[in-house]
Amino acid sequence: GENVEQHPSTLSVQEGDSAVIKCTYSDSASNYFPWYKQELGKRPQLIIDIRSNVGEKKDQRIAVTLNKTAKHFSLHITETQPEDSAVYFCAARNAGGTSYGKLTFGQGTILTVHP
Amino acid sequence: KAGVTQTPRYLIKTRGQQVTLSCSPISGHRSVSWYQQTPGQGLQFLFEYFSETQRNKGNFPGRFSGRQFSNSRSEMNVSTLELGDSALYLCASREGNEQFFGPGTRLTVL
Repeated sequence: GENVEQHPSTLSVQEGDSAVIKCTYSDSASNYFPWYKQELGKRPQLIIDIRSNVGEKKDQRIAVTLNKTAKHFSLHITETQPEDSAVYFCAARNAGGTSYGKLTFGQGTILTVHP
Repeated sequence: KAGVTQTPRYLIKTRGQQVTLSCSPISGHRSVSWYQQTPGQGLQFLFEYFSETQRNKGNFPGRFSGRQFSNSRSEMNVSTLELGDSALYLCASREGNEQFFGPGTRLTVL
C-alpha cells in the first residue's frame, strides 16, 4: 500500500521567514496530494491541494510543488506569521483507483513561528 | 453549507465496553471516511462508505465497524474496547477530491 514520509517533524522559524515541509510517497499511482493544517484541539483543515497533472500550485502565501518522477511534494509558506503555527499534514491518494477516498497521511510537522 | 458534524464530542468508556460514534457529512456529500488520530500513529484510515456501501477498509481489527444510512449519515462502532483505542476519531466527507473533516470525537478508554 501507499506510504507517505514527511520531514521535518518539527520546524521553528522567525516571523517573516519561509517554511518548507517535504513529503515523499511510494505509490506511483497516487495522483492527488492535499495538505492539511491542524491547530491545537481543532479539526484538520484543507489548505491547499495539487493533482498529478500540475507541477505547482499557489494560493497567496502558500504554494505546493510536485515532482512525480521523484515522488515527492513540498509545501512552501512564505512570510510566515504566528498564526501559521500548527501541525501540518501531507497526504496522498489514488483518486482513480480502488482506494477511492482513502488518504494516506504523513506523520505531521509541528511548525512554530516565533514573533 | 454546514460543515461536517460529529457526536458526541467526548466519550469516556471502560475496557470491554462498546461505543458508537456518529457523523453527519456536508449536505450533498455521499462519501464518508473515518480516521483514527493518535500521537504515536498519526492519522490512520479506518474505512470509507459511499451510498451505504463500504468501499475501502484500513488495517484495523474487526472490532471496528461502521455503516452508512440512506441520508449519508454514518456511524462507527468499536466493540470490546481496549486501552489502545483511546484516540481522536475523525470523520471526513467528500464529493470529488476535496475531503473535509469533522471536529472529531475524543474517546478515552479507562
